[in-house]
Amino acid sequence: DAGVIQSPRHEVTEMGQEVTLRCKLISGHNSLFWYRQTMMRGLELLIYFNNNVPIDDSGMPEDRFSAKMPNASFSTLKIQPSEPRDSAVYFCASKITGTGQPQHFGDGTRLSIL
Amino acid sequence: RKEVEQDPGPFNVPEGATVAFNCTYSNSASQSFFWYRQDCRKEPKLLMSVYSSGNEDGRFTAQLNRASQYISLLIRDSKLSDSATYLCVVNPGGSGGYNKLIFGAGTRLAVHP
Repeated sequence: DAGVIQSPRHEVTEMGQEVTLRCKLISGHNSLFWYRQTMMRGLELLIYFNNNVPIDDSGMPEDRFSAKMPNASFSTLKIQPSEPRDSAVYFCASKITGTGQPQHFGDGTRLSIL
Repeated sequence: RKEVEQDPGPFNVPEGATVAFNCTYSNSASQSFFWYRQDCRKEPKLLMSVYSSGNEDGRFTAQLNRASQYISLLIRDSKLSDSATYLCVVNPGGSGGYNKLIFGAGTRLAVHP
């Protein structure tokens, strides 16, 4: 079975540009998580959805960040305008709802803002 | 206090050694527990779930002590390929939190020949 699929794998862009990261959930999973990872701050939860509904977006750093789930299997994370401090690896993870269920991560998007 | 705390390491051990990682969590209502492994420049991957009675998967043994709010991971007969960062992960449970996982900062392991 296909795992969580993220695109692009790498993105390099200039500050001020809009960046859109994409994620396809594992089939049958209904919870979706966006994380950001840097050396300084480690793995940070940005936002998560359950059944397409945002449950907790308290980790979204500021209004420049937005996330959507237009359908049950797909999500986007958008940064507009981007800044150099947004440079990080962004992971998407999905799971089946339930406390005993683990999350499964995508390969990540390595984002560099110049 | 962090919700999940781990010794950051690094633990530098020779091949064949036994190494143990510890983790503490702050929320006594936490409901499920996992160990993840993350290789350099890769995504975190599930290593094993942690069950109340303790569980073993080959060279890996996980233990849970709910009274002390403490989780451990034991690796026996370390291999070079075990070199990675090991993340302690907790589901805090509770309203609105039943579905998300809290990740520790990780413990780095380096196994040398």
